[in-house]
Amino acid sequence: GDSVTQMEGPVTLSEEAFLTINCTYTATGYPSLFWYVQYPGEGLQLLLKATKADDKGSNKGFEATYRKETTSFHLEKGSVQVSDSAVYFCALIHYGQNFVFGPGTRLSVLP
Amino acid sequence: EADIYQTPRYLVIGTGKKITLECSQTMGHDKMYWYQQDPGMELHLIHYSYGVNSTEKGDLSSESTVSRIRTEHFPLTLESARPSHTSQYLCASSDLLGQGRAETQYFGPGTRLLVL
Repeated sequence: GDSVTQMEGPVTLSEEAFLTINCTYTATGYPSLFWYVQYPGEGLQLLLKATKADDKGSNKGFEATYRKETTSFHLEKGSVQVSDSAVYFCALIHYGQNFVFGPGTRLSVLP
Repeated sequence: EADIYQTPRYLVIGTGKKITLECSQTMGHDKMYWYQQDPGMELHLIHYSYGVNSTEKGDLSSESTVSRIRTEHFPLTLESARPSHTSQYLCASSDLLGQGRAETQYFGPGTRLLVL
């Protein structure tokens, strides 16, 4: 079946550092890919998405590009802030099926 | 901004009690879900529904039950709570879009349940 793998956390960075959270997937065909973020005490929020190969999703300074050839969807941000501290989930979905979520990566940004 | 609500946000209850976790959405979404999130963060799908009168079991076996009598409402019930049910429960909803369109899932704030 489909699966999503993320880099293990926790990831700890200083403010203004560059962020990369790796995400790779195993799936047949062309799923849609997502990044969700979960702040402490809250539910998940959609951060960005991409629906086809080479699409780039972006939001709030975060970016991820759908790479079919490497089955990856790595999340990047050029300069992180303390307020970016959260858990980040990579996910995929095929039409008509349920979402498949990765295990989550906890990010801590220190001032 | 997604309009999906869960009550209560926090619940502490004794073993053997019956509880119902409420979930409502005002977006008119057909598909709704319940996830259990363990302390290690991983999400486990326990129930979902395609619409009114539709309920399906998810990937993780659960002693809870759900109902879908109205489109906007998807409550989860535990007939007899046990300490092993202690967890965070997240409700979500999404549109059933046409083929070729990306379904997006919207989450509620969660209910944190502690069974003593």
